Amino acid sequence: SAVISQKPSRDICQRGTSLTIQCQVDSQVTMMFWYRQQPGQSLTLIATANQGSEATYESGFVIDKFPISRPNLTFSTLTVSNMSPEDSSIYLCSVLGDSYYNEQFFGPGTRLTVL
Amino acid sequence: DAKTTQPNSMESNEEEPVHLPCNHSTISGTDYIHWYRQLPSQGPEYVIHGLTSNVNNRMASLAIAEDRKSSTLILHRATLRDAAVYYCILRGYAGGTSYGKLTFGQGTILTVHP
Repeated sequence: SAVISQKPSRDICQRGTSLTIQCQVDSQVTMMFWYRQQPGQSLTLIATANQGSEATYESGFVIDKFPISRPNLTFSTLTVSNMSPEDSSIYLCSVLGDSYYNEQFFGPGTRLTVL
Repeated sequence: DAKTTQPNSMESNEEEPVHLPCNHSTISGTDYIHWYRQLPSQGPEYVIHGLTSNVNNRMASLAIAEDRKSSTLILHRATLRDAAVYYCILRGYAGGTSYGKLTFGQGTILTVHP
């Protein structure tokens, strides 16, 4: 299994500012992902964080708005840039395990409120 | 990605079995059927997955139709802790590390009554 921690757990930010969310995994993992969960909605994949190269973004998400870093196999950051109230969501880090079950593990999430 | 259809909500009584259905009529040969659940205020957690045969683990059982166009997650004795949103997801797998993306639909909200 993989244990994932995220910082901060929650934050309240002013519009126009940026917030960087950190994701730390207790073991080296190949594949790491960032998801967004808007209020009352399901999870939406933002991007795959690639170690040593640029992240792969899903349709509707762009690097300028959600820059991602992945400096090594246990750590990644997601920045939410130039925030607006529509960015108020829970942001979740996720990693793919290496077991036969190929289960995906999720962090506890970062609850972001933009005023 | 192939799409799944689940009921919006289901209810159960504690200690009774629960059968959560999922339709996936456009499933392809390399799609695995995964189930995840999200407890209140937590990230999703893996429940079970399968390809063609029925699967059992300590959490649940997965019954897969012979034509693979539908499946059912079975919780043998529901507890209050099982109240969650259950997601049925198709995930392609082409071998090695070529996993498809985990794409979440709306899921089924399971309410368990004491």
